[in-house]
Amino acid sequence: KQEVTQIPAALSVPEGENLVLNCSFTDSAIYNLQWFRQDPGKGLTSLLLIQSSQREQTSGRLNASLDKSSGRSTLYIAASQPGDSATYLCAVGGKQSNYKLTFGKGTLLTVNP
Amino acid sequence: KAGVTQTPRYLIKTRGQQVTLSCSPISGHRSVSWYQQTPGQGLQFLFEYFSETQRNKGNFPGRFSGRQFSNSRSEMNVSTLELGDSALYLCASNNLNTEAFFGQGTRLTVV
Repeated sequence: KQEVTQIPAALSVPEGENLVLNCSFTDSAIYNLQWFRQDPGKGLTSLLLIQSSQREQTSGRLNASLDKSSGRSTLYIAASQPGDSATYLCAVGGKQSNYKLTFGKGTLLTVNP
Repeated sequence: KAGVTQTPRYLIKTRGQQVTLSCSPISGHRSVSWYQQTPGQGLQFLFEYFSETQRNKGNFPGRFSGRQFSNSRSEMNVSTLELGDSALYLCASNNLNTEAFFGQGTRLTVV
């Protein structure tokens, strides 16, 4: 059974800082990995999708890496802004049922002005 | 392109009642997944439909059911509501690349 862990559970940083969020998964037989952000009481916004054959994806100030063999992914946020404050969720799609995502509990990020 | 639309946004129901939630996926997407989000358990997969067929099912009791129509719109139904069913129910529309796009969710409160 796939288990996804995100560390830290919460993170508070000053504006402008570069930061890294971590995600680990127990079963390396994944189809893909997706990072989302969630604002309070809202749905999920897709940030980056990494297929199992890829090592990283970039979008603007965001860069996500994937190391399948070690069961790890990181989300790097450059030059953080108060608007980046949200919960960041990591989810993996399994090879057997790739449309079924297994989520971590998320990292609550607060960027202080 | 319109995003994923979930209705209603908020619902208050009494224990023992049943409820139906609706999800309209992004145009052209044929796969729809449903998730339950609670503070204690986080996001948990309920089921996934593709071309009107349920392909995957999570570990939820039979009170939770769903269906998908020929236009890809999906509904999920919860019968005999319990207090523990209070949650944010999220629907995801999946493209052929398996990237998931989520709606704003339906907040269900059972009293």
